[in-house]
Amino acid sequence: KNEVEQSPQNLTAQEGEFITINCSYSVGISALHWLQQHPGGGIVSLFMLSSGKKKHGRLIATINIQEKHSSLHITASHPRDSAVYICAVRIPGSARQLTFGSGTQLTVLP
Amino acid sequence: NAGVTQTPKFQVLKTGQSMTLQCAQDMNHEYMSWYRQDPGMGLRLIHYSVGAGITDQGEVPNGYNVSRSTTEDFPLRLLSAAPSQTSVYFCASTMGQGNTEAFFGQGTRLTVV
Repeated sequence: KNEVEQSPQNLTAQEGEFITINCSYSVGISALHWLQQHPGGGIVSLFMLSSGKKKHGRLIATINIQEKHSSLHITASHPRDSAVYICAVRIPGSARQLTFGSGTQLTVLP
Repeated sequence: NAGVTQTPKFQVLKTGQSMTLQCAQDMNHEYMSWYRQDPGMGLRLIHYSVGAGITDQGEVPNGYNVSRSTTEDFPLRLLSAAPSQTSVYFCASTMGQGNTEAFFGQGTRLTVV
């Protein structure tokens, strides 16, 4: 079983819809990252969370440490939000840095 | 400030050939890592380094070598390419072991025929 599970694997939405991507993990963590990867592109860090909630523009990330769960929300989605969204966790004491989920492919249709 | 620079962006190799993927960062980061990304599997750690002169194996190290002679550079060498090494490779760096942001290179799409 993967230590980091994301759902859904694929998501198609209409422009303007509210989108939620979920991440569950089974290990103790010190931080959780949300990353974005556009087709053929590099990987960009969106958020790093250790508790609570963060907001940047139309993106909101929340984490519940007790439930080992995080969500990434996109409000008023736009076709340019189409990308793969990746959840990654940092395990304390591990020099291996990050453990990744398999990603969620989001397609926003105009 | 260029961040993490990774080259080349695309490469096609024949089975048995060797090559080096270059990774450089200009942020004075201690930690650097190499990952491969395969469909449905997420990013998997190949090798990592916690500082100049120190490297260690990740989850999938076989067929790859690394070295870290300077803080800035962390090249990944494919010794004898195999079709199973067809993948997208990413280099990443972070300041240290604490909760710091990770920076990624643009990726190298490698095809071994």
